[in-house]
Amino acid sequence: EVQLVESGGGLVQPGGSLRLSCAAFGFSFSSYAMSWVRQAPGKGLEWVSSISGSGGRTDYADSVKGRFTISRDNSKNTLYLQMNSLRAEDTAVYYCAKDGLYYYGMDVWGQGTTVTVSS
Amino acid sequence: EIVLTQSPGTLSLSPGERATLSCRASQSFSSSYLAWYQQKPGQAPRLLIYGASSRATGIPDRFSGSVGGSGTDFTLTISRLEPEDFAVYYCQHYGSSRTFGQGTKVEIK
Repeated sequence: EVQLVESGGGLVQPGGSLRLSCAAFGFSFSSYAMSWVRQAPGKGLEWVSSISGSGGRTDYADSVKGRFTISRDNSKNTLYLQMNSLRAEDTAVYYCAKDGLYYYGMDVWGQGTTVTVSS
Repeated sequence: EIVLTQSPGTLSLSPGERATLSCRASQSFSSSYLAWYQQKPGQAPRLLIYGASSRATGIPDRFSGSVGGSGTDFTLTISRLEPEDFAVYYCQHYGSSRTFGQGTKVEIK
């Protein structure tokens, strides 16, 4: 079964750091671009970052550029999001998502992990 | 950066009715780069449509997507609303920034 499982969320103080992980199962992980998408409480979806299958290309939303780093370990079938200098406005549910191979769309999503930035 | 504006913000309809959701882009782009998602409360989003008009795997044919002539107007149509279709719908542009629209909530009238 194709599945994504996020972990690493929690409560962190403003200015702190957190690393999210997303374990992938049931597909050839290295063949697919992957993304992080977040959703603040009661708000819509916000794309955060994406990474190519090889890891050679990364893209970031302006709101997180310079603070967040996306990476992947294809030997471990795992996607990461290192979040530094966290702000209250980073509070959200963070989803990892898998891109389609021959089309543009995020066709598999994890269940999400919650990040709360508060003192 | 392309901005996607969805309308209406909320659509109040009854089961069996037709729903028409709009997504307007700030500049034109290839329809290959437009996707639609459905999200229900407490759940992750689900891909409905990619390439503006192709249904994702397992999506019923009451869901359809189309493009306006200008290349900036995209529409998601649900031909006959089923109880499970009441949810929030998002469009997305698949550029280097994979921007989402702000969403349209389809609620029961």
